[in-house]
Amino acid sequence: LAKTTQPISMDSYEGQEVNITCSHNNIATNDYITWYQQFPSQGPRFIIQGYKTKVTNEVASLFIPADRKSSTLSLPRVSLSDTAVYYCLVVLSGGYNKLIFGAGTRLAVHP
Amino acid sequence: DTGVSQNPRHKITKRGQNVTFRCDPISEHNRLYWYRQTLGQGPEFLTYFQNEAQLEKSRLLSDRFSAERPKGSFSTLEIQRTEQGDSAMYLCASSLEGVGPSTDTQYFGPGTRLTVL
Repeated sequence: LAKTTQPISMDSYEGQEVNITCSHNNIATNDYITWYQQFPSQGPRFIIQGYKTKVTNEVASLFIPADRKSSTLSLPRVSLSDTAVYYCLVVLSGGYNKLIFGAGTRLAVHP
Repeated sequence: DTGVSQNPRHKITKRGQNVTFRCDPISEHNRLYWYRQTLGQGPEFLTYFQNEAQLEKSRLLSDRFSAERPKGSFSTLEIQRTEQGDSAMYLCASSLEGVGPSTDTQYFGPGTRLTVL
């Protein structure tokens, strides 16, 4: 049973909005959802974090429905430099691995 | 801000040898995390420290793995009797203490890539 589920890959074009969804059915009640970006040969980099509803910062928005079983990272007007792998990070209830990264979504932005 | 540093960046070793990696966190950060990442997968949590105390350790972490953080500053991850399955990128991250690990903004180092022949 998958702990979290993300699309393996997505393609987009410069200037478009991209939405990446992560499913996390067994998320712990009191814990947050965080998204990270990773470029090749680098460690992940924090993008955004939220607990419920909507959070927005200068680079992205995060939408979390009331049941918190999924979350959607929204990247407005992507550019070529947004080509990277995007991971959701959650804490799952009842698990021995407290912090669970998703398998990642490889986003390719085309000119 | 010098960021999180990890050394070495690359390590090639023969099966059965011991290896040790070092992580220097951002200086004022009191939480430190170790992850393992294999090709095409997300980072897999191994363990985390708050100051010098090791608070969580993944049950997937075999007894060949040990981590320390003496004096709550740098940390080392040692793998004894390496196996080919240990080949991976080992990532370290640090954070300021938040409400809980899920609220921390983790700052990752560049990783140490281990290849076991």
